[in-house]
Amino acid sequence: DVKVTQSSRYLVKRTGEKVFLECVQDMDHENMFWYRQDPGLGLRLIYFSYDVKMKEKGDIPEGYSVSREKKERFSLILESASTNQTSMYLCASSLSIYNEQFFGPGTRLTVL
Amino acid sequence: SQQGEEDPQALSIQEGENATMNCSYKTSINNLQWYRQNSGRGLVHLILIRSNEREKHSGRLRVTLDTSKKSSSLLITASRAADTASYFCATVSFLAGGTSYGKLTFGQGTILTVHP
Repeated sequence: DVKVTQSSRYLVKRTGEKVFLECVQDMDHENMFWYRQDPGLGLRLIYFSYDVKMKEKGDIPEGYSVSREKKERFSLILESASTNQTSMYLCASSLSIYNEQFFGPGTRLTVL
Repeated sequence: SQQGEEDPQALSIQEGENATMNCSYKTSINNLQWYRQNSGRGLVHLILIRSNEREKHSGRLRVTLDTSKKSSSLLITASRAADTASYFCATVSFLAGGTSYGKLTFGQGTILTVHP
């Protein structure tokens, strides 16, 4: 079974802090994704990566950056956390662009 | 705006009954996927149906796709309390020029509650 793990289930940070969310997948998938999920807005794509060191902006990249130095690891970085970045963050991976995505358990981030 | 729109927004049924959820979308798609999310958890992939398929089954799940109407339905038969969750449809579309990077566009979801 594909396993996607995220570094934290719950995280509380202060405004202005730099925040790292890490995601690791164990199935050698090419594609990895970061979403945020908010009530009433559904899941929205922040960034995705289709190969090591490659990244593409999703629908809401502002305020975020990403890093993919190794195939199995995809990190989401909040350079200077703000309260409007309080959300559930979900990482996913897929074998190809036409296949299903496998999601991690999510990180609920609260920015105070 | 969201590509997929689920209907109804919430559904409450008794154990043993069937649950039907619908999804509509706006643009041409490569495939349509259904996911389940238990409260506060990650999403679990249920089923994928490609644009050239009309119906697909997986256990108690039946998915139909009507590309002419740009709609899909998910049927859960003989529901159980453990089926209580949010259900999302998501589409993979083609970008201009015929390429797609596999971006999944999610609907708002249907909250299904199955009472024991």
